[in-house]
Amino acid sequence: GAGVSQSPSNKVTEKGKDVELRCDPISGHTALYWYRQSLGQGLEFLIYFQGNSAPDKSGLPSDRFSAERTGGSVSTLTIQRTQQEDSAVYLCASSLRLAGEGYNEQFFGPGTRLTVL
Amino acid sequence: GEDVEQSLFLSVREGDSSVINCTYTDSSSTYLYWYKQEPGAGLQLLTYIFSNMDMKQDQRLTVLLNKKDKHLSLRIADTQTGDSAIYFCAEGARSGGSYIPTFGRGTSLIVHP
Repeated sequence: GAGVSQSPSNKVTEKGKDVELRCDPISGHTALYWYRQSLGQGLEFLIYFQGNSAPDKSGLPSDRFSAERTGGSVSTLTIQRTQQEDSAVYLCASSLRLAGEGYNEQFFGPGTRLTVL
Repeated sequence: GEDVEQSLFLSVREGDSSVINCTYTDSSSTYLYWYKQEPGAGLQLLTYIFSNMDMKQDQRLTVLLNKKDKHLSLRIADTQTGDSAIYFCAEGARSGGSYIPTFGRGTSLIVHP
């Protein structure tokens, strides 16, 4: 079946503009995660959607970042008033189970490379 | 707090064995994972080990876990150029609430002829 897809694959924007990044998880997956990958920084957790419960937003770096997940499926990560330091690859992942429920493989999308000029 | 550490780079010759090391701090971690990221792609699960195991072997891959020292390693036998990628160690713990898997910074494996 289809894996996790993300769009766009690349996004170039000007400083101060808003951007929206989209993630389509694997159908039926309960959990959805957003990560940011900067050069040499590994994966930085941003936000976690856990079924019908309130999302864990503890990783969002500032109030310019927000995300929603509609109907338990597609998710959108929005960055308002983008800054140059927001430039990174944004990765989305989904998993069948909720985090902490034992073995839990995460399936990653290919990412969106965001460049803020 | 929880932290996962890895060396950033490893260079090996084709045909040699590669050993990628990882240390973690959360003693309650029950599952430890190795993910592989090829250029321009997302991460893909390579293998995992449950915390009550010391070793797991899967074809060319051997995972060793020293729970006392919180040390995890991934050995790739007969390393090939196609193994060149970034390898991430990740830990996931069982908890009453949600637990976000913690990833290391990734080790870039470079395989040269």
